[in-house]
Amino acid sequence: DQQVKQNSPSLSVQEGRISILNCDYTNSMFDYFLWYKKYPAEGPTFLISISSIKDKNEDGRFTVFLNKSAKHLSLHIVPSQPGDSAVYFCAAPDSGGGADGLTFGKGTHLIIQP
Amino acid sequence: DVKVTQSSRYLVKRTGEKVFLECVQDMDHENMFWYRQDPGLGLRLIYFSYDVKMKEKGDIPEGYSVSREKKERFSLILESASTNQTSMYLCASSSSGQHYGYTFGSGTRLTVV
Repeated sequence: DQQVKQNSPSLSVQEGRISILNCDYTNSMFDYFLWYKKYPAEGPTFLISISSIKDKNEDGRFTVFLNKSAKHLSLHIVPSQPGDSAVYFCAAPDSGGGADGLTFGKGTHLIIQP
Repeated sequence: DVKVTQSSRYLVKRTGEKVFLECVQDMDHENMFWYRQDPGLGLRLIYFSYDVKMKEKGDIPEGYSVSREKKERFSLILESASTNQTSMYLCASSSSGQHYGYTFGSGTRLTVV
C-alpha cells in the first residue's frame, strides 16, 4: 500500500523552461511534506518542504504547491537548469516530528536538456 | 559542516557472509535511520532508532538487524547476505527538536555475489 505516489518515473524538460514534478498521497493524516533531491552515488539532500496548513511555499527557483482536497502536491522549478538533473523524491513523515521515519515516493528522474 | 558518514562507499560481499554497514553522525541527533534505495522502488525504511539501545522495525526489516550502542553510531547488519540485498544503503539522522530535518549520508553501494 503506497501512501506517497510519484507516478512519473522520469521527466525531460528543456533548459530554461518550467519543470513540474507531481506527488499524490493517500494518508489524510500527513501534516507535512518534503522534497528531496538525489544525485547518483550521493545521499538525498533536502530541497523544500510545506506544512499542511499552507498551500504554497517558495524558495528561490523552487515552489511547492499543496492541494489538500485532492491530496496532491507539486514541485515547480523555474527556470530549469542543467544542475537540476537528478532524482526527486516526495516524502511525508510517518508520525509527528518524523521520529518514526519518512515515507518516500518512488522518485522522478528529472532530465534537463540543453 | 554537519555530517552523516557511512564507512564505505562501495562494498562487495559473498552470499552468506555477515556484513556490517557503519554510520556515524556528528550532530548529536537522537534519531537515526537505515534506508535502502532500489530502482523503481524509491527509498524504503529498514530500521530506525530514536535512542541509544533502542531500535524499531521499518517497512522491510527481514534479513537485517541493527545496533546502536552509542548515540552517534548506528550499524546495519546483514546476518547472512543474499543477492537480493544488493542495493544502495542510506543512513540518515534527525533531531527530535528539529522537525523533519533529516540529514543523509552519501550511501553505501553493496553488491552481494
